[in-house]
Amino acid sequence: QKEVEQNSGPLSVPEGAIASLNCTYSDRGSQSFFWYRQYSGKSPELIMSIYSNGDKEDGRFTAQLNKASQYVSLLIRDSQPSDSATYLCAVNGGSTLGRLYFGRGTQLTVWP
Amino acid sequence: GAGVSQTPSNKVTEKGKYVELRCDPISGHTALYWYRQSLGQGPEFLIYFQGTGAADDSGLPNDRFFAVRPEGSVSTLKIQRTERGDSAVYLCASSPPGSGELFFGEGSRLTVL
Repeated sequence: QKEVEQNSGPLSVPEGAIASLNCTYSDRGSQSFFWYRQYSGKSPELIMSIYSNGDKEDGRFTAQLNKASQYVSLLIRDSQPSDSATYLCAVNGGSTLGRLYFGRGTQLTVWP
Repeated sequence: GAGVSQTPSNKVTEKGKYVELRCDPISGHTALYWYRQSLGQGPEFLIYFQGTGAADDSGLPNDRFFAVRPEGSVSTLKIQRTERGDSAVYLCASSPPGSGELFFGEGSRLTVL
């Protein structure tokens, strides 16, 4: 069974702060890593994908991957109340590209 | 640019009934996936189509679940003899050729009474 673990949360940060979300995974063979944002009552929305060790930045979001430690993180800089959502970490497994294993998600609240 | 479209958005049925959930993927996306999300959980993989064939159906929980994609575009997830434990949001996703990035529809919320 491939496992993806995330901080149970909830995580609460003030507006303008950095929010740090963490994820570990069990399958050393995983090659693709994703962060999805899910607003309450809505479907998951892809916000970041990362495939190589190191950092990947996209606007206020930075994904970090360390395959040796089997660890993925997402940093959100200058957090806004509109960032309040559940963040899902997903890792691919097996030969099916889009067969992803998701964590349970971390609920983030950004308060003004 | 339409996204993934799923119907119905909500379905309430009685235990033992048959249901069909429909998914229309993003145009040009050859890969189509069904996932299921229960409350407080991340989505769980059910089945993957590449074109018309089910390339990976190992996530289907039992033989009451079946899915088709007869013309390589729209897909239907079929659940026979529904049980209360089938209650969940059923998510359809599609992805561009050669990509593992999934683009989800808004889901079909199934409630089995």
